Amino acid sequence: SQTIHQWPATLVQPVGSPLSLECTVEGTSNPNLYWYRQAAGRGLQLLFYSVGIGQISSEVPQNLSASRPQDRQFILSSKKLLLSDSGFYLCAGNRGAHEQYFGPGTRLTVT
Amino acid sequence: AQSVTQPDIHITVSEGASLELRCNYSYGATPYLFWYVQSPGQGLQLLLKYFSGDTLVQGIKGFEAEFKRSQSSFNLRKPSVHWSDAAEYFCAVGGRDDKIIFGKGTRLHILP
Repeated sequence: SQTIHQWPATLVQPVGSPLSLECTVEGTSNPNLYWYRQAAGRGLQLLFYSVGIGQISSEVPQNLSASRPQDRQFILSSKKLLLSDSGFYLCAGNRGAHEQYFGPGTRLTVT
Repeated sequence: AQSVTQPDIHITVSEGASLELRCNYSYGATPYLFWYVQSPGQGLQLLLKYFSGDTLVQGIKGFEAEFKRSQSSFNLRKPSVHWSDAAEYFCAVGGRDDKIIFGKGTRLHILP
């Protein structure tokens, strides 16, 4: 079975600082990978998804970017954080099935 | 457009009572349907899924859900809740493009 790892678990960053959140997958190869942001009372918003190395699709225009440098690595980045980037970020993956499996998440607070 | 509606933001039930969480979806074709559970500060865990076949699906932790095409619903049920079931529950719909649309969630509170 596949396991999704995320780090860090929590992060406090000042406005204008850069961001890098990492997601790695264990137990499968060539997964589809997804970044979501979760805000209180608003469910999950799909930010990016990737079907392979270097292949990134953006779902919403925003201050964030994503990269997939390796098959089982998915990175969420920003050059300059905004207050509105605060939230709970979840990485998910699937491989050969329609359901997605989620990592433990990263709580980002921009101050 | 695909969408998922969970009409109840919060639900409170007594421990040992039965539970039903409502979910309605909008999707142009036969959907893939999911229920996920999230404990505070944690990721989402898949409870159950419906792809085809029997419209009553069994999941983990004693949960079940029934797909009703005529009502565009996929309600989650449990006959007797435990204090450990307190969490947030998300209904979701997906299709062949491997993207999933999530509802906004229902937070379940359990009274002792």
